[in-house]
Amino acid sequence: QKEVEQNSGPLSVPEGAIASLNCTYSDRVSQSFFWYRQYSGKSPELIMSIYSNGDKEDGRFTAQLNKASQYVSLLIRDSQPSDSATYLCAVNRYSGYSTLTFGKGTMLLVSP
Amino acid sequence: DGGITQSPKYLFRKEGQNVTLSCEQNLNHDAMYWYRQDPGQGLRLIYYSQIVNDFQKGDIAEGYSVSREKKESFPLTVTSAQKNPTAFYLCASSILGTSGRTDTQYFGPGTRLTVL
Repeated sequence: QKEVEQNSGPLSVPEGAIASLNCTYSDRVSQSFFWYRQYSGKSPELIMSIYSNGDKEDGRFTAQLNKASQYVSLLIRDSQPSDSATYLCAVNRYSGYSTLTFGKGTMLLVSP
Repeated sequence: DGGITQSPKYLFRKEGQNVTLSCEQNLNHDAMYWYRQDPGQGLRLIYYSQIVNDFQKGDIAEGYSVSREKKESFPLTVTSAQKNPTAFYLCASSILGTSGRTDTQYFGPGTRLTVL
């Protein structure tokens, strides 16, 4: 059973629209959740972290966490062509030492 | 400038060779990690270390080895026992989380390894 699942996409949205990226996870005790953006051929860069249920906003980005449903999402408002990338969801797992499990990522394409 | 450096950027290996990928950080982070990424795949954990002279196997440690002799450095050796080593290798570091949380991992630029 996969531990972190994301729709591989591509998710295509027009410039200026809201992009909604979703992620589900299987470990009920997970407490740390991260969204990374990865451009083709580059390393991942952090977009946002979230630890508590609810919404967390940072500029055009909003992360939403629902631990009861084991669901975390990322909303990108006013999408720009420069947002076109693969978005990776990462969730912590704790087994003595705490590490991250990554989803396979959702490719987002923003068309001008 | 604080950050994580990886070298080389590109590496070519012949069959049967061991190669070592370098990872250095000056962020004063205790924890360091090695991941492998294959095309269209997420990141898979190879090894991680939370303190000098101690490290743990991740999900795909077979065919790899690491050392952590200094806080700043966490080199990865890809041995000849790794049957399919062609991939993008990413090093990351973080502070140690508390109370079951994991802190943000920051990534180096990566090394792309190709087996000839």
